[in-house]
Amino acid sequence: NAGVTQTPKFQVLKTGQSMTLQCAQDMNHNSMYWYRQDPGMGLRLIYYSASEGTTDKGEVPNGYNVSRLNKREFSLRLESAAPSQTSVYFCASMDLRGGREQFFGPGTRLTVL
Amino acid sequence: GENVEQHPSTLSVQEGDSAVIKCTYSDSASNYFPWYKQELGKGPQLIIDIRSNVGEKKDQRIAVTLNKTAKHFSLHITETQPEDSAVYFCAASGTDSWGKLQFGAGTQVVVTP
Repeated sequence: NAGVTQTPKFQVLKTGQSMTLQCAQDMNHNSMYWYRQDPGMGLRLIYYSASEGTTDKGEVPNGYNVSRLNKREFSLRLESAAPSQTSVYFCASMDLRGGREQFFGPGTRLTVL
Repeated sequence: GENVEQHPSTLSVQEGDSAVIKCTYSDSASNYFPWYKQELGKGPQLIIDIRSNVGEKKDQRIAVTLNKTAKHFSLHITETQPEDSAVYFCAASGTDSWGKLQFGAGTQVVVTP
């Protein structure tokens, strides 16, 4: 079991460029989440998908879009990157019918110049 | 929405001493309070959690206490070891939140030998 995997690990973008962060889980979880982590601010929820076929905004959704491609995969897209989106991005998954523990991926460190 | 405050932001302890991290939450409907540990360069990992129908929970050297009336909960680590050095996050969640977590800002714990 790989758990939650994220690609890429690191990325540098120029302002205005676009990119997609990939996330996959092999635990058959129905819920998936995208967070960003900034110094001194903890983790803030960007978007989540409670189940396959549904997505909803979290606390800081502006500038992002998501796709729940299937039960395993949940991608995060930056259409026009801005320096304010420089952050570490974490994907997580959870079985809503289980114990409410969220399992996190290793993160993607994104720098927007 | 829910707001979680966490103190202190940094905590330095001597090996063998105890460490205490405190969090307060604002939403009385929150009923699930996990604690996550994040080691350098990795994603957060659940170390202990408590639900609102329980006042205290222990797991070896780690314990969590919850005061629903005062809306605060605390993490206690006894007999600290160098491998306890990490960033610790508290979080809160409600039953109807689809697993969404509101995180505190984090506490950097440094255990010195």
